[in-house]
Amino acid sequence: DIQMTQSPSTLSASVGDRVTITCRASQSISSWLAWYQQKPGKAPKLLIYKASSLESGVPSRFSGSGSGTEFTLTISSLQPDDFATYYCQQYNSYFFTFGPGTKVDIK
Amino acid sequence: EVQLVESGGGLVQPGGSLRLSCAASGFTFSSYWMSWVRQAPGKGLEWVANIKQDGSEKYYVDSVKGRFTISRDNAKNSLYLQMNSLRAEDTAVYYCARDRGSYLIVPDYWGQGTLVTVSS
Repeated sequence: DIQMTQSPSTLSASVGDRVTITCRASQSISSWLAWYQQKPGKAPKLLIYKASSLESGVPSRFSGSGSGTEFTLTISSLQPDDFATYYCQQYNSYFFTFGPGTKVDIK
Repeated sequence: EVQLVESGGGLVQPGGSLRLSCAASGFTFSSYWMSWVRQAPGKGLEWVANIKQDGSEKYYVDSVKGRFTISRDNAKNSLYLQMNSLRAEDTAVYYCARDRGSYLIVPDYWGQGTLVTVSS
């Protein structure tokens, strides 16, 4: 099974900050990685797929990079609507696994 | 507009059964893989199962194999999850999700979820 880790688990930031979240896979997943945003009581929302492709309708301040085992999600200028929990997910096979999540809260 | 609406959750005793449903609309249901993903209270996301467009391939996380069965009815645009021998650790919000892709698939649209509570 492919294990996913994320760091940090919690991140305190201010509006306007540049924020970077790291996701690591236990083995190479090429670029088969997605990023989701989840707010309390809501379903996850797809932000990035194939490591760096921006989902339609997602603001351009979100970007993804990486391949193999190390990936990053960057928010170039944090907005009030961005305070949420972010999950990475590998889909290198039909057996998906998610990272444990990174909560972005207000400093 | 893509819509996924889950139903069937509730309170069930350990060892009991429950059948979840997901009604899909706004897209050609029979053209997509579909998944169930769950989230225990205060915890992260865990993929549970997925099913190919025609139902010929199904995959499960090890913790539910032999207890849960994913199925679909393309004529009714519906996805199902039959859950048997339920355990306390199955308590979670269960989401259905549409899987996009032709080679490898990724969940792109999610329903709002239905809560399953396993407790005596």
